[in-house]
Amino acid sequence: GAVVSQHPSWVICKSGTSVKIECRSLDFQATTMFWYRQFPKQSLMLMATSNEGSKATYEQGVEKDKFLINHASLTLSTLTVTSAHPEDSSFYICSAGGGPGYEQYFGPGTRLTVT
Amino acid sequence: EDKVVQSPLSLVVHEGDTVTLNCSYEVTNFRSLLWYKQEKKAPTFLFMLTSSGIEKKSGRLSSILDKKELFSILNITATQTGDSAVYLCAVHTGTASKLTFGTGTRLQVTL
Repeated sequence: GAVVSQHPSWVICKSGTSVKIECRSLDFQATTMFWYRQFPKQSLMLMATSNEGSKATYEQGVEKDKFLINHASLTLSTLTVTSAHPEDSSFYICSAGGGPGYEQYFGPGTRLTVT
Repeated sequence: EDKVVQSPLSLVVHEGDTVTLNCSYEVTNFRSLLWYKQEKKAPTFLFMLTSSGIEKKSGRLSSILDKKELFSILNITATQTGDSAVYLCAVHTGTASKLTFGTGTRLQVTL
């Protein structure tokens, strides 16, 4: 299967600062990547769909000014959590795919803790 | 609103048992149903199902889809402790490649 990486895998930041998370497809080109958030013991919630070369599509209830998404190339999408607050602490996972089989391949996730 | 429901929410079995996990869905413009296994990190892909009645099999795991009754099952035979994980069902709908996930079934296999 396709390989997707995320960096960093774990980050702690202070309230009010911004954090950038990178998602890379290592062995294929992904015109579409997805960003999910997962709270403890809950399922994955789609935050936004990241499209290469165009603006991201955000799900209802997700603040686009707070969660900035950039899909600068066919192998890289970034999520920046701006002015982070403790309630933004979560597990952020990206995925890439959407090919003929529609299967998505997930990155290993980034655990964000805001103190 | 698209909805994916999994049952049971959690399950504890003994090693060697066979388990069946359920996933039902109510969505518009169904494309495919996917099963993932999530341990401590991100989900890993297990199966993708698009056609009714055709079983997909990988080792001790198998899955089948019923598009008339709108559900899928994931079977695990001769369970091992390494099967302990959260199993997620997701449905792909529409043209945007979006996945809607169920809440997951937390499986614990004990010795």
